[in-house]
Amino acid sequence: EVQLVESGGGLVQPGGSLRLSCAGSGFTFSIYWMHWVRQAPGKGLVWVSLIHPDGSGTDYADSVKGRFTISRDNAKNTLYLQMNSLRAEDTAVYYCARGLRATSGFGDYWGQGTLVTVSS
Amino acid sequence: QSALTQPPSASGSPGQSVTISCTGASSDIGRYNYVSWYQQHPGKAPKLMIYDATKRPSGVPDRFSGSKSGNTASLTVSGLQAEDEADYYCSAFGGGNNWLFGGGTKLTVL
Repeated sequence: EVQLVESGGGLVQPGGSLRLSCAGSGFTFSIYWMHWVRQAPGKGLVWVSLIHPDGSGTDYADSVKGRFTISRDNAKNTLYLQMNSLRAEDTAVYYCARGLRATSGFGDYWGQGTLVTVSS
Repeated sequence: QSALTQPPSASGSPGQSVTISCTGASSDIGRYNYVSWYQQHPGKAPKLMIYDATKRPSGVPDRFSGSKSGNTASLTVSGLQAEDEADYYCSAFGGGNNWLFGGGTKLTVL
């Protein structure tokens, strides 16, 4: 059974840092693109970042570029999102999502989400 | 403001059909067929319902169908059932490894 399990969320002060993790199981993690998507409380989904299967390529939404870093450890089947210089507007549930095979797109599997709250 | 435009709400009675639109631009929906639709129930993770504009993942009922014309994609839910009541989001490839979402549509089954 394919599973994605996020962890690392919590309360952090503005300007602080947090690292999210997403552990994959039940599939060959190293051959899939992976994405992060977030959802502010009561709001819609927003794409955040993606990473190539071997980690050689990454991209980010303009709103997080220069502050967030996506990475992966295929030996540990784990995806990461390092979040620095956090702002109140980064408060959201963060989901990891698997990319689709044989086409672009993502989201055939999602994690349960981890809540990040940026507040003093 | 979302890059893709969806109506905030839609509704229909059980058994009826409802169509939700998603309007983008010639640089995203108009250029690529990489349009997906997701269903999200309150407090749950999104679920992929349609990808590549018209394809259904295994396990998704054939009551759900997708289409695309020009800069607009659409999701049609036929034979509405109570469990279809949820938020629906479209997503599209915006070029340059960038992905866009619509603002979401709340579907109410009357």
